[in-house]
Order: sequence, then structure tokens, then C-alpha cells
Amino acid sequence: EDQVTQSPEALRLQEGESSSLNCSYTVSGLRGLFWYRQDPGKGPEFLFTLYSAGEEKEKERLKATLTKKESFLHITAPKPEDSATYLCAVQGFSSNDYKLSFGAGTTVTVRA
Amino acid sequence: DAGVTQSPTHLIKTRGQHVTLRCSPISGHKSVSWYQQVLGQGPQFIFQYYEKEERGRGNFPDRFSARQFPNYSSELNVNALLLGDSALYLCASSFRTGPNEQFFGPGTRLTVL
Repeated sequence: EDQVTQSPEALRLQEGESSSLNCSYTVSGLRGLFWYRQDPGKGPEFLFTLYSAGEEKEKERLKATLTKKESFLHITAPKPEDSATYLCAVQGFSSNDYKLSFGAGTTVTVRA
Repeated sequence: DAGVTQSPTHLIKTRGQHVTLRCSPISGHKSVSWYQQVLGQGPQFIFQYYEKEERGRGNFPDRFSARQFPNYSSELNVNALLLGDSALYLCASSFRTGPNEQFFGPGTRLTVL
């Protein structure tokens, strides 16, 4: 069974204070690792897909990286509008390789 | 381009009732997945349909069922509602099954009293 653990559960940042979110995963072969952003009461918004160790993706103030056991989402000089819950999900080589297995998320609050 | 749409937005039911949730995928997407998200947790996989066939089922009881129509829209049905079924139900569409991005709709908030 694919497993995803995200840390920390919550992160409070001052505007401009860079930080990183961690996503540790256990899969029987990784097909893809996905990062989503979710605002309260809304559906997750797709951010990045990473397929192999060493891969990196960037979008505005966000940068995602991938190793064989974990992924990091780096937030550089965050702004209040970056406040959200960030979800990590994996898709593995299993009988249910079409499903996404999610972590519980990291809730980021950025204060002005 | 229109994203994934879901209806209704909110729904209040009582225990034992039945509910039907609807989803329209992004144009050109042939796969629809359903997820349940309880407050404070990540989404949990319920079903995936691709080309109108069930491709996967999560660890949910038989009270949960779904189907996909020729236009690739989908319905999720839940029978004999329990209090624990209260959650945000999310629909996600993707171009195909397998390792590709899934794009989520806004969700249907179901409250069971």
C-alpha cells in the first residue's frame, strides 16, 4: 500500500521568510509524485508532477524537488496569497496504479 | 476553457437517505476519478472510470457506486447514508488513466444529519 507522510502539519511564516515542506513516500515503484495547493472549502489545484529522482520543477515562488524517498516544496520569499494547504500525492506501480494516494497536507500561513 | 464542474455545491441529507453527485470532466478528458476528503485529511480514492469502464476501486463499502456516461460525465451514488459519510466529495478528470495529472473540481460538500 502506497503511503505518504507530510511534515510539518502546519507552518507559520512571515512574508518573505523562505521555508520548505517535506513529503516522504513509500511506494512499490514510483510512477509519479504530484503537488497540489488547496484553499479552504475548494478542490485541490494542480501545481507540479515529478517522475524521477533528481527532477526539479519551478513555478513563481515555488520549487519542487524529488529524491528516491522524499520530495520537497520550497517556498521562496512567500506572500500572504501563498497561504493554503499544500498536498503531496503519489501514484505507484500497484494494482491501483491509477489512483493518487495523498498525504494529510501542510497548512501554510503567511503573515504580512 | 472550462474546468471540472460538479453539482450540487452543497447537500444536506439525513441518515439512511440516498445521494447522487455529478461531475463533468474537462473537455477531451476521458477519465474521471472520485475522492472523499474528510476535514483535516487528504483526499481518499473511491473510484476511477476510463472510457466508461471502472478501472479501480478504493476501500469503500458497496453503498458507494459510480458510473460514467458516453459524454464522459460521471455520477457517484451513495446509499444508506451514515453520519461518517459527511465529507467533501471531489471529482478529478485526466486525459487518460495511468501516471498523468488529475485536475480537480470544486467539490460537493455533503452533510449527513
